Amino acid sequence: DAGVIQSPRHEVTEMGQEVTLRCKPISGHNSLFWYRQTMMRGLELLIYFNNNVPIDDSGMPEDRFSAKMPNASFSTLKIQPSEPRDSAVYFCASTIFGGIYGYTFGSGTRLTVV
Amino acid sequence: DAKTTQPPSMDCAEGRAANLPCNHSTISGNEYVYWYRQIHSQGPQYIIHGLKNNETNEMASLIITEDRKSSTLILPHATLRDTAVYYCIVHLSSNTGKLIFGQGTTLQVKP
Repeated sequence: DAGVIQSPRHEVTEMGQEVTLRCKPISGHNSLFWYRQTMMRGLELLIYFNNNVPIDDSGMPEDRFSAKMPNASFSTLKIQPSEPRDSAVYFCASTIFGGIYGYTFGSGTRLTVV
Repeated sequence: DAKTTQPPSMDCAEGRAANLPCNHSTISGNEYVYWYRQIHSQGPQYIIHGLKNNETNEMASLIITEDRKSSTLILPHATLRDTAVYYCIVHLSSNTGKLIFGQGTTLQVKP
């Protein structure tokens, strides 16, 4: 298995533009998580899905952020409109059985909003 | 999930054992201790986990005290590639489990 695949690896966009980050979890994993990492706040959980259903989105910073998981093999995190303070590394992770055997993280998307 | 306390940074000489401590005094009976690490610019990587018994795998050993209020991650022969931020996380695995990261310990392995 190629692991959790995120795209793009790097994204530079102008303030006000829409940004879409993509994630393909490991096949067979039934839980998917979106994290954001900044120097100031560390790793923050934004939202997670179980069996494609959003369970907890309390970490989503504001209405400009939205996430979807249309099927078991694909998820998106969208920011519209983007702002400079959204600049961060966004990680996607997947797991099975509640994470008892560990979570697998993708390589992340480094987002820069100018 | 219970809160953990880790030293912000540690140094270790290459080839020596690195012992990373973690306090989790409010851990409950069915919570596991997990360790992850994050090498610069990469996603976090699972290392090991345990409930109450000591555990060992190809990467590390995990020693959990009898009262489960603290644990130590041991990298037996640290290499320069082990330089990373190490996170100790107490986690209740369930069908809706979510992993919450603290600030971790930055381990610097020096030649």
